[in-house]
Amino acid sequence: KAGVTQTPRYLIKTRGQQVTLSCSPISGHRSVSWYQQTPGQGLQFLFEYFSETQRNKGNFPGRFSGRQFSNSRSEMNVSTLELGDSALYLCASSLEARSPNTEAFFGQGTRLTVV
Amino acid sequence: GQQVMQIPQYQHVQEGEDFTTYCNSSTTLSNIQWYKQRPGGHPVFLIQLVKSGEVKKQKRLTFQFGEAKKNSSLHITATQTTDVGTYFCAGGVGSNFGNEKLTFGTGTRLTIIP
Repeated sequence: KAGVTQTPRYLIKTRGQQVTLSCSPISGHRSVSWYQQTPGQGLQFLFEYFSETQRNKGNFPGRFSGRQFSNSRSEMNVSTLELGDSALYLCASSLEARSPNTEAFFGQGTRLTVV
Repeated sequence: GQQVMQIPQYQHVQEGEDFTTYCNSSTTLSNIQWYKQRPGGHPVFLIQLVKSGEVKKQKRLTFQFGEAKKNSSLHITATQTTDVGTYFCAGGVGSNFGNEKLTFGTGTRLTIIP
């Protein structure tokens, strides 16, 4: 069974640009969550999608957005990039989004550097 | 909003010594999960605890969920170099949609001195 696939693995962008990251969950998983990981802040929750609907949202500005397609693949978009957006962006998929939580499977992440 | 704190933030131990990380939530949790992230890697699921006071063991690792379901601990006995990494707890809390979201703790970075 293929794991969670994130593309691209590495990305360098300049301030003011926008970026789109992609995540393909494990086959059969319908819940996809996105996290931002930085050395100082740990794992910060961005949002979660389930069956193409955003179910939960973290405390990030509106520049961060996402969506999920009918095949459960998800994308996140960051517009007007700032230097502080440099981070490892992790995607995690799980079978269900209902209580109790099921195990989250993480992808390798996309390392975004904003210069 | 809900916060999940972990202590210590960093821990350096001599190989063979024990290690413990503690996780505390500002709200009651429905369940707690633990993840390990090796340097340069991604978080990998270790275990989930659901019941109040639950204790689970995985070889040298012992996981505990507090009676009030607001705290948890991970204890490693006789650490080995393969235990190096950052350990995260993640608390499950109900959301307005009836499902749950995971809030990750701040993590404890473990380094081993050979």
